[in-house]
Amino acid sequence: AQSVAQPEDQVNVAEGNPLTVKCTYSVSGNPYLFWYVQYPNRGLQFLLKYITGDNLVKGSYGFEAEFNKSQTSFHLKKPSALVSDSALYFCAVRPPYNNNDMRFGAGTRLTVKP
Amino acid sequence: DTEVTQTPKHLVMGMTNKKSLKCEQHMGHRAMYWYKQKAKKPPELMFVYSYEKLSINESVPSRFSPECPNSSLLNLHLHALQPEDSALYLCASSQRGYWPQETQYFGPGTRLLVL
Repeated sequence: AQSVAQPEDQVNVAEGNPLTVKCTYSVSGNPYLFWYVQYPNRGLQFLLKYITGDNLVKGSYGFEAEFNKSQTSFHLKKPSALVSDSALYFCAVRPPYNNNDMRFGAGTRLTVKP
Repeated sequence: DTEVTQTPKHLVMGMTNKKSLKCEQHMGHRAMYWYKQKAKKPPELMFVYSYEKLSINESVPSRFSPECPNSSLLNLHLHALQPEDSALYLCASSQRGYWPQETQYFGPGTRLLVL
């Protein structure tokens, strides 16, 4: 069975500081990993995904994520946080053998303070 | 353009009402999805359509009835809902639905309140 965990319900960071939102996964085979962001009363916006190749993936709005196979992690990072980055972030995983079974983590609320 | 639109934005209905949610995309995607999201929870998959055929039904109660009239349009018909069905209903689409590496693009959702 596949699963994804976001160990932090809430992350607080000061504007201008680097931010990290953590994600770990459990899946058989090589996973496909995704990050989405959700602003209040809105749908999910795609940020980035890891399929294969370079472990460092760059995405929208200056976000990047690093795939670490040995630690089964896919942490989301940004070098300098903005107040407007405050939102709910979801990590999601798909196994390579099932094209529609996407599982989301519980979500991490990021708050960036001025 | 990676836009998925959903109407209405908000819906309030009684337990005896019949209503429908609508989702539309013009990206040429052939897979479309309905998700249910309760407050402060991740989205949960309800239905998947691939090439206008229902390919996944995640044991959703029959009071929810999906319909895919054409490749651009996805409906969710609601009848005799319960208050616990109140949630944000999200529609998504992806290119073909064949490949696990496909990105799903989400609409803004319909916030449903069942009284």
